[in-house]
Amino acid sequence: EAGVTQFPSHSVIEKGQTVTLRCDPISGHDNLYWYRRVMGKEIKFLLHFVKESKQDESGMPNNRFLAERTGGTYSTLKVQPAELEDSGVYFCASSQDFRQPQHFGDGTRLSIL
Amino acid sequence: GDSVTQMEGPVTLSEEAFLTINCTYTATGYPSLFWYVQYPGEGLQLLLKATKADDKGSNKGFEATYRKETTSFHLEKGSVQVSDSAVYFCALSDRDDKLIFGTGTRLQVFP
Repeated sequence: EAGVTQFPSHSVIEKGQTVTLRCDPISGHDNLYWYRRVMGKEIKFLLHFVKESKQDESGMPNNRFLAERTGGTYSTLKVQPAELEDSGVYFCASSQDFRQPQHFGDGTRLSIL
Repeated sequence: GDSVTQMEGPVTLSEEAFLTINCTYTATGYPSLFWYVQYPGEGLQLLLKATKADDKGSNKGFEATYRKETTSFHLEKGSVQVSDSAVYFCALSDRDDKLIFGTGTRLQVFP
């Protein structure tokens, strides 16, 4: 089965621009999570979807970040406008149900100049 | 809140050396504990897990035992290989299912 895929693998944009990251979970996985790792620090939770509903968005840093999962399939994470501190690696993960391990994608490295 | 603390790296070892990467946690409930590994250029992969006290998770020669009395989940391997070079993340999942990670420990194994 195909794993979790993320697009793009690397994005370089200027401060103030908009960037949209995409995550395709494993087929059939209702749970989808976004995490990010900033500057070699710990990986931090951003939010959790169950199908198309936001189950927990307590980790979203501010209202410049918008996550969607229309139709309960793939998800997008938009950053608008991007700031320097948004640089980092954004990971997506999915699981079949909350008791199962989360499977991670390769991440999107976001660089804000 | 819940947290995970793991030893800073990098950890540098020669091939066939014994590996220990320390991990301790703080949690209000009874969390599940995980070790994830990130090989160069790849995403995070689940290495092993333990869901209750005294459970031992194992995979690819790596082991970790859930120690409730010391709130620890140290990762060990008896004989490391160059191919084990990666970043290792300790993590927990408590009553909700989001993962809380440590800062990661880079392991470098030289021939």
